Amino acid sequence: SAVISQKPSRDICQRGTSLTIQCQVDSQVTMMFWYRQQPGQSLTLIATANQGSEATYESGFVIDKFPISRPNLTFSTLTVSNMSPEDSSIYLCSVASNTEAFFGQGTRLTVV
Amino acid sequence: AQKITQTQPGMFVQEKEAVTLDCTYDTSDQSYGLFWYKQPSSGEMIFLIYQGSYDEQNATEGRYSLNFQKARKSANLVISASQLGDSAMYFCAMRDWNSGGGADGLTFGKGTHLIIQP
Repeated sequence: SAVISQKPSRDICQRGTSLTIQCQVDSQVTMMFWYRQQPGQSLTLIATANQGSEATYESGFVIDKFPISRPNLTFSTLTVSNMSPEDSSIYLCSVASNTEAFFGQGTRLTVV
Repeated sequence: AQKITQTQPGMFVQEKEAVTLDCTYDTSDQSYGLFWYKQPSSGEMIFLIYQGSYDEQNATEGRYSLNFQKARKSANLVISASQLGDSAMYFCAMRDWNSGGGADGLTFGKGTHLIIQP
């Protein structure tokens, strides 16, 4: 199983600012995924981070709000831009093989 | 579009009893995978078990087993001999594969909050 390190683990941010979340994997993986979990809700896929190409965003998520970088096969970042209180959520990165999908510890974001 | 339905928002179970958490899914794909995760109050997502759509036998991992009924499109999680530490949110999820053969992201159900009582 892959070991995924995600940071920061939590943050409190002012509205209008941006936060970049980092995800480091201990092995090379083709695809990495970013999810959002709003308070009391389930997980929703934000985007797929592809190495060497632009991320693929799900309906309802746009690159200007959630820019993603994937500079190599072990690392990705998600930025939450121009934050509002509605962005308060847990953000999780994930890596997957055919039969497994593992998650980082999550970043608990509170926007005030 | 894929859809996962978990009809039990919450469950209370006595310690040492077996627990069945329901999950039904909807997809038009022939090839797909089904996952179960445990999320304790700490927020981490703990992978429990996987079932592929072409797997003929039900998946098992220790005290966890997946009751896979393909014709009924159900993938219920069974926890045997429940323990106090099993108290958590449980999510059922599905994945299919994109046109390039790579894995797509997961679609999650709303989850079941399981509480094990002593």
